[in-house]
Amino acid sequence: GAVVSQHPSRVICKSGTSVKIECRSLDFQATTMFWYRQFPKQSLMLMATSNEGSKATYEQGVEKDKFLINHASLTLSTLTVTSAHPEDSSFYICSGRTGQQGGTEAFFGQGTRLTVV
Amino acid sequence: GESVGLHLPTLSVQEGDNSIINCAYSNSASDYFIWYKQESGKGPQFIIDIRSNMDKRQGQRVTVLLNKTVKHLSLQIAATQPGDSAVYFCAETGSGGYQKVTFGTGTKLQVIP
Repeated sequence: GAVVSQHPSRVICKSGTSVKIECRSLDFQATTMFWYRQFPKQSLMLMATSNEGSKATYEQGVEKDKFLINHASLTLSTLTVTSAHPEDSSFYICSGRTGQQGGTEAFFGQGTRLTVV
Repeated sequence: GESVGLHLPTLSVQEGDNSIINCAYSNSASDYFIWYKQESGKGPQFIIDIRSNMDKRQGQRVTVLLNKTVKHLSLQIAATQPGDSAVYFCAETGSGGYQKVTFGTGTKLQVIP
């Protein structure tokens, strides 16, 4: 299957600082990218959907000014957690899909473990 | 709201036996259903998917069954191996590449050697 590379895999930051997570589709063009958040022993919760060149669409309850998403190219999307606090500590996962009608598979990155201290 | 959920949070299976993981969904408009495997500290890994116009699909050691009448999805793993130990999620989505994938609550599969 196609590969989505997510970086970094782990990051520890101080409270109040910002952290950027990168998500790259290596061998396909991800017209749409999705960002998920996962707490321990829980499911993946969608945070936002971004289409290349457009503003991201955020799920209800997700602060768009806190979780900045950029999808400037068909192979790169970034999530920036601004002014991070300990409650932002979580596992963040990106996913990319092509815009082809009928294409079903979503390809996932390996996730980023964010710890805010 | 619409949701995808699982009946069993934890499933313990003897090595070599078959495993069956179940899932209930509520969105009758869903076009595709997908099973993912997630190992600790990693992203979800695609296992198998099925379109809404099918009721069964087989892969290598895995079979997905879809019962649209009762909105039920299951994943069968044949001859379960220790490497199958992980959390399994069912998910649903639409046919367009722009459509989000909604995950169920997950089932932890523990394989007993």
